[in-house]
Parts: sequence; C-alpha cells; structure tokens
Amino acid sequence: EVQLQQSGPELVKPGASVKMSCKASGYTFTSYVMHWVKQKPGQGLEWIGYINPYNDGTKYNEKFKGKATLTSDKSSSTAYMELSSLTSEDSAVYYCARKGLLRWGQGTTLTVSS
Amino acid sequence: DILMTQSPSSMSVSLGDTVSITCHASQGISSNIGWLQQKPGKSFKGLIYHGTNLEDGVPSRFSGSGSGADYSLTISSLESEDFADYYCVQYAQFPLTFGAGTKLELK
Repeated sequence: EVQLQQSGPELVKPGASVKMSCKASGYTFTSYVMHWVKQKPGQGLEWIGYINPYNDGTKYNEKFKGKATLTSDKSSSTAYMELSSLTSEDSAVYYCARKGLLRWGQGTTLTVSS
Repeated sequence: DILMTQSPSSMSVSLGDTVSITCHASQGISSNIGWLQQKPGKSFKGLIYHGTNLEDGVPSRFSGSGSGADYSLTISSLESEDFADYYCVQYAQFPLTFGAGTKLELK
C-alpha cells in the first residue's frame, strides 16, 4: 500500500527555518516525483514545487523560490521541504503528494508565532 | 498562470442525488486535470486523473468529463461518505493551479 507519512506539527518563531519530511513506502521512491502543496484556510491551495528523487531535479513555483528548498534521500525514501525566513504568512498545512497528486501525506501543520 | 474557476462553491444535496462540479481553465489544458476529495480535518484523496481516469479504489459513481478548457466531476447516487470538499487541479502548465473548491453539504 502506498503511504506518505509526514512529520509532526511544528511551532517555530518568526525569522526561523523549519524542515519537514515525507517518508514514502509501498512503492519505488525514485519512480515518482514528489509534489509539495500549501493549504492555508481561506486562501486555497498553492503548489510549491516538486522534486524528482531519481535525479534530485526540482521545479519550483516562482512564488516559493527562495522560500522553499526541496531535497530527498533515496536511502530512506524520504522527501524534505525546508522553509526559511518564516513569517505568519507561512502558517499553514503543508502536504506532500505523489506524482499526479493522487496519493497524499496526512499533512504537517506549521505555526509561526513568537 | 492558468486560472481554474470552479463552480459552484457549495451545494446542498440529498442522498441519492447526482451532482456535477465544473472547472473552467483560463486556457485549454488538454485534459491535464485531476479531481481531489478532502473530508473535514483530513488530507486529500485523488479521484480522477487526466480528465476521465478513475484512480484505483475510487467508486464508479465518480466520473470525469470535458475537453479544452471545461471539465466536470460528476457524482452519481450520492452516498453519505461523499459529503466533502472537492477540488480540481490542472497540470498542463507550471505552476500547477487549483480550483477554489466545492463543498457538498447535506440538504
């Protein structure tokens, strides 16, 4: 069974960075790109970008360039997203989703607050 | 960016009804559209990909149609588990963009 297990909720201070994870199981990790999506209540869904774990190639939404960095670790079948220079606008639920956006992780809630 | 205009934003429906949700893209997307379901407080589930293809395990009462810039998700014979939020997403062009969502509520 395909599963994407995301890391737990994060409470971080403004200006800090956070790195969240998405551990894949039930399929060959390097066979599918991994997307990241932001959901902020009242503001809809935003695509952040994707990483291809096969070659670590990435594609970013221009809006998130400089904000998000996507990486992956083949040895642990885990994708990562680091968000930097956090502000309250970054408070949201972040999801990883496999190619085609058919299979999703459970989401990581990020709260940015002093 | 491709703008996805989804309608309606909400629908009050009854068990057994057939409902259709539409998405209009700001340009043709050649069926590069998916449909997602999100239940309250939960993550997303992919239902349809490439416009008409049913994801494994998704009930056949869900179907997708459309072409060009206009697409629909139809749910036949609504069941209680179908009351949720639904979103379209286009992947014809980067960045991927989403519709604003449709909430199905029990009448």
